[in-house]
Amino acid sequence: ETGVTQTPRHLVMGMTNKKSLKCEQHLGHNAMYWYKQSAKKPLELMFVYSLEERVENNSVPSRFSPECPNSSHLFLHLHTLQPEDSALYLCASSQEWSANTGELFFGEGSRLTVL
Amino acid sequence: GQNIDQPTEMTATEGAIVQINCTYQTSGFNGLFWYQQHAGEAPTFLSYNVLDGLEEKGRFSSFLSRSKGYSYLLLKELQMKDSASYLCAVLDSNYQLIWGAGTKLIIKP
Repeated sequence: ETGVTQTPRHLVMGMTNKKSLKCEQHLGHNAMYWYKQSAKKPLELMFVYSLEERVENNSVPSRFSPECPNSSHLFLHLHTLQPEDSALYLCASSQEWSANTGELFFGEGSRLTVL
Repeated sequence: GQNIDQPTEMTATEGAIVQINCTYQTSGFNGLFWYQQHAGEAPTFLSYNVLDGLEEKGRFSSFLSRSKGYSYLLLKELQMKDSASYLCAVLDSNYQLIWGAGTKLIIKP
């Protein structure tokens, strides 16, 4: 079983829909991350959870709502998105957040298209 | 502000050597990372440099000069499977990763 698993791999939604992205890690890590990856742009950190508590929220619009029910699962709830939100959303985990060694383990991402 | 610069795209020939450069300006420095990302796949960790010099790992080597804010990733004996994007990232003084936009490497036969 792969270390970090994301579902769905592809998602197409209208601007009025509500959907969720799911991430699960099997590595026993304490920190989980949501990143947005757009073509030819640096990875944008959206949210960080450490031991199920949100520790970073980098000015992300409220139409993105994270949830971390336990240290192995992370969700990103989506509602009333805009076409410019179309991107690859990557989940990652690391051993710790406060002493981040920088080595992240990524999932394969959820490719989101907003029509 | 914090900034990481790397070329957008590079092309190289199978069997050859290619060097991908990365320059950075960050608030503090706690290490530099290279990740590889094949199209449609997860980024995967390649290398980590925190001291000046060259780190070699098989066909891949990574170099760091902290005084110049500069790193490169050297790929030898290129194979078609090396076609991918290569992401440079710096761990800043707050232990947050600052990412470059990535270099897309195209390998031609």
